[in-house]
Amino acid sequence: GAGVSQSPSNKVTEKGKDVELRCDPISGHTALYWYRQSLGQGLEFLIYFQGNSAPDKSGLPSDRFSAERTGGSVSTLTIQRTQQEDSAVYLCASSLTAASYNEQFFGPGTRLTVL
Amino acid sequence: AQSVSQHNHHVILSEAASLELGCNYSYGGTVNLFWYVQYPGQHLQLLLKYFSGDPLVKGIKGFEAEFIKSKFSFNLRKPSVQWSDTAEYFCAVNARGGNTGKLIFGQGTTLQVKP
Repeated sequence: GAGVSQSPSNKVTEKGKDVELRCDPISGHTALYWYRQSLGQGLEFLIYFQGNSAPDKSGLPSDRFSAERTGGSVSTLTIQRTQQEDSAVYLCASSLTAASYNEQFFGPGTRLTVL
Repeated sequence: AQSVSQHNHHVILSEAASLELGCNYSYGGTVNLFWYVQYPGQHLQLLLKYFSGDPLVKGIKGFEAEFIKSKFSFNLRKPSVQWSDTAEYFCAVNARGGNTGKLIFGQGTTLQVKP
């Protein structure tokens, strides 16, 4: 079926506003990951979900960032009071399970620009 | 601290030239190793991966990589590049056997192949 989808593809916002980024994983994939790709920083892990287990939030850069996954499927990454340093491409990936050998399939990303 | 280092940030080659992209990692434990590729305008996708066994692994499109444990390296190679190999390449690691596939990425190498 379809791959990982993300929306919106581009988001321009003003400093201080809240934004929500959405990820639809591949159907049947129980693990879902968020990464951030900043200019010159490569890709950095933010958070991951595995089934109904508590998410691993160890990569979230500040308490302005949060994420949820409803019904074990769609996930939303929320950034409150956005700052210019939050400008980046936010990538979502899913895999069959969170086992380390499983391939992660990436979505097209959401490009966030904070003015 | 866990980290992945890619030595070359921007590589320019002519078609038919040989390619080697360096990747070194620092990780306290046994790892799985990956190379991902992002072609212009496309999603990040898996090129090849190493879990165990033969340290020389072959991936799609004629790419291969060799895991050298003593050097903590996983360099990517291709004997003869094509213009269509122009892309950004990312090396990544995760902890083998863990219940999370959380990936640590290098900063990426941009490869430009001139026709």
